[in-house]
Amino acid sequence: KAGVTQTPRYLIKTRGQQVTLSCSPISGHRSVSWYQQTPGQGLQFLFEYFSETQRNKGNFPGRFSGRQFSNSRSEMNVSTLELGDSALYLCASSLGGNGYTFGSGTRLTVV
Amino acid sequence: AQSVTQLDSQVPVFEEAPVELRCNYSSSVSVYLFWYVQYPNQGLQLLLKYLSGSTLVKGINGFEAEFNKSQTSFHLRKPSVHISDTAEYFCAVSVSLSAGGSNYKLTFGKGTLLTVNP
Repeated sequence: KAGVTQTPRYLIKTRGQQVTLSCSPISGHRSVSWYQQTPGQGLQFLFEYFSETQRNKGNFPGRFSGRQFSNSRSEMNVSTLELGDSALYLCASSLGGNGYTFGSGTRLTVV
Repeated sequence: AQSVTQLDSQVPVFEEAPVELRCNYSSSVSVYLFWYVQYPNQGLQLLLKYLSGSTLVKGINGFEAEFNKSQTSFHLRKPSVHISDTAEYFCAVSVSLSAGGSNYKLTFGKGTLLTVNP
């Protein structure tokens, strides 16, 4: 079966712009979680969507937002980009808490 | 709240030597435990997981881990490493946030960079 698909793989944006990242989960998985990975902070939880509702949220500013569609595909949006937003953004799909499958990530560079 | 501590940020070893990557966690409720591997510029690949039952879990690429509830540890081991095992390894715990058990949160440790030298 198809894995978790994240698009695009790479992005370069300018400070102040906004960006949208996409994640298509494994078919049948209703939960999609997003993580930010940086060398200094490691893997930090952004938020989780389940059945089109944000179920859990990490400690990130309101510039970071997301949504989930009826087919479980999820998008995350970052507005007013800052240099510190440069990171690898990973999404994971799951059926429940006993298994998470990750995508290859989107590498965002803010210049 | 749950937390995960990976005790070593870097572990250098020689090829064909054994290795142990240490992981301790804290949680007031029962957990599911995972080890993931990440190669450069890639996502996370599941190595193994502990859900219940036997405390010794075998995973892919010859890795295994042992769940120790009393010591709240889940150390990863491999008896003989290869150059291709060079990567970053992450320990993670999944904890239920609701009584019904359908709402979970996955928390990661900071990672251990395993470098296998010839």
